[in-house]
Amino acid sequence: EVQLLESGGGLVQPGGFLRLSCAASGFTFNNYALSWVRQAPGKGLEWVSSISGSAGSTYYADSVRGRFTISRDNSKNTLYLQMYSLTADDTAVYYCAKPVVEPKHSTAWYSYNWFDPWGPGTLVTVSS
Amino acid sequence: QSVLTQPPSVSGAPGQRVTISCTGSSSNMGAGYDVHWYQQIPGTAPKLLLYSNTNRPSGVPDRFSGSNSGILASLTITGLQAEDEADYYCQSYDSSLSGSVFGGGTYLTVL
Repeated sequence: EVQLLESGGGLVQPGGFLRLSCAASGFTFNNYALSWVRQAPGKGLEWVSSISGSAGSTYYADSVRGRFTISRDNSKNTLYLQMYSLTADDTAVYYCAKPVVEPKHSTAWYSYNWFDPWGPGTLVTVSS
Repeated sequence: QSVLTQPPSVSGAPGQRVTISCTGSSSNMGAGYDVHWYQQIPGTAPKLLLYSNTNRPSGVPDRFSGSNSGILASLTITGLQAEDEADYYCQSYDSSLSGSVFGGGTYLTVL
């Protein structure tokens, strides 16, 4: 069974830094892409970032590009999200999710994927 | 303002049928990118409900079905049950934004 478990959330001041982690199990970690999706309190879902299995390709939403960095340690089966220059708009539950794609779209996974499963999420609060 | 547009809420009585719409544009669903649906019970993580427009993952009841035509996709739930009360989100890919996009979510109330 695929399992994802986020950690590292908490309270951080505006302009601050936080690093989230996502521990994965139940699949061959380095063979699969992973993503971060966030949800502000009372709001909808927002895709944040994705990374290929080899870490050779990374993708970011415009709202976080230049401030957030996605990475992975395939030896530790762990995904990371480094978040810099945080603002109140970054306050959200951050979910780690596994992109899935039909085999016919495997080379264009980034454009055809859905997310399954999702971790339980970790709350990031940016406030002074 | 979400890229994909969903009604904020829908409701129905137990046993009834409801449909949730998801409207996109020429840079996402209209460009041929698939639509996927998620169910989120308040306080929990989203759960995949349908993928690639019409496909149900193992374990999802056949009361849930989907359709997609051009820039309009729909999720239909038949035989409504109390446990279906949740938020529902559509998701696709947008070529202009170069990333996955979600609808704003629709809360289903089972009366």
